[in-house]
Amino acid sequence: DVKVTQSSRYLVKRTGEKVFLECVQDMDHENMFWYRQDPGLGLRLIYFSYDVKMKEKGDIPEGYSVSREKKERFSLILESASTNQTSMYLCASSQGGGGLTYEQYFGPGTRLTVT
Amino acid sequence: AQSVTQPDIHITVSEGASLELRCNYSYGATPYLFWYVQSPGQGLQLLLKYFSGDTLVQGIKGFEAEFKRSQSSFNLRKPSVHWSDAAEYFCAVGKAAGNKLTFGGGTRVLVKP
Repeated sequence: DVKVTQSSRYLVKRTGEKVFLECVQDMDHENMFWYRQDPGLGLRLIYFSYDVKMKEKGDIPEGYSVSREKKERFSLILESASTNQTSMYLCASSQGGGGLTYEQYFGPGTRLTVT
Repeated sequence: AQSVTQPDIHITVSEGASLELRCNYSYGATPYLFWYVQSPGQGLQLLLKYFSGDTLVQGIKGFEAEFKRSQSSFNLRKPSVHWSDAAEYFCAVGKAAGNKLTFGGGTRVLVKP
């Protein structure tokens, strides 16, 4: 079974802090994704990585950056946390290549509260 | 750009009754369609997917979905719900070779005993 793990289930940070959210997948997937989930808005893509050191902005990248130094690990960074970044953050991974869009496998999520 | 609409934010259904969740998408070519379920406090789990072929797709947990190109819809159904089906359900659309998915806003299902 594919397993996607996230470093924390719950996190509380102060405004202005630098925040790191870590995600690890064990299926050698090429693609990794970071979403935020807010009530009524579904999942919105923050950043996407299709290979080590490669990244692409999603729909809402402002205030976020990412890092992918190893294939299995994808980090989301909040450079200076703000209260409007309080949300549930979901990491996902999928196969890549072959000209197809593959199903994504999700981690359990990190609920981040910024006070 | 593709988009997904789930018109129902909340649905309440009695245990044993049938369930249908609506999903409408906007995309110019043949879409790749997915339904995911999120139980409380959990990540998303894939229920089923449609890429091509038979427009009636069977998934896990007794769910099925039907792709209707003429209506741009991909509705999810279950003949008889169980209390454990109480969760939030998300429809998603992707495009060939695009890798990325666009999600709907979700439908929260409550199951009455």
